[in-house]
Amino acid sequence: SQQGEEDPQALSIQEGENATMNCSYKTSINNLQWYRQNSGRGLVHLILIRSNEREKHSGRLRVTLDTSKKSSSLLITASRAADTASYFCATDFYNQGGKLIFGQGTELSVKP
Amino acid sequence: GAVVSQHPSRVICKSGTSVKIECRSLDFQATTMFWYRQFPKQSLMLMATSNEGSKATYEQGVEKDKFLINHASLTLSTLTVTSAHPEDSSFYICSAQPGTGAYEQYFGPGTRLTVT
Repeated sequence: SQQGEEDPQALSIQEGENATMNCSYKTSINNLQWYRQNSGRGLVHLILIRSNEREKHSGRLRVTLDTSKKSSSLLITASRAADTASYFCATDFYNQGGKLIFGQGTELSVKP
Repeated sequence: GAVVSQHPSRVICKSGTSVKIECRSLDFQATTMFWYRQFPKQSLMLMATSNEGSKATYEQGVEKDKFLINHASLTLSTLTVTSAHPEDSSFYICSAQPGTGAYEQYFGPGTRLTVT
């Protein structure tokens, strides 16, 4: 299966702390993206990192990509209660028409 | 920009009936649309890739006769769940990809299907 794995499956932290989620995948990728999903809602695109990039920032988000280890991490700094959601990584592959394979997701709970 | 809508947002149907879900790109043309399903507390599973004007490509294990996909225009794809069973109850999400060669996908808000 090309589907990625994420860890932890669930993460509970206090407001103000940092949250780190990890994603691993099995085959060479074109891009890796991170999405957020509030319960019962659609997906919100957070950030895309290309296979030739190693790190990317967007506001309080920092994404790293290590293609040698086939892994990525998403760091949310100074978390807020509103960051409570599920976070998914998704990879696309060369010559696959852009279809995305999603990781299992991390359920983040930020307590006020 | 890049808004994708789905209709309906929620639907309840009886076993044995068919239900159609629409996915529309509102402000761009989408040569490719994707359909996913998501069970509670699980990830999104790709069901099929839908290209405008051609037959959909289904992922392994997805019954094409049960999940009919039509992509008749550059802004509309439909998923019809035929002869629905309770195990088809799920959250169905579509995404649309602009035909610009880029790989960005824009996701719809999802449709909650409950089969009784």
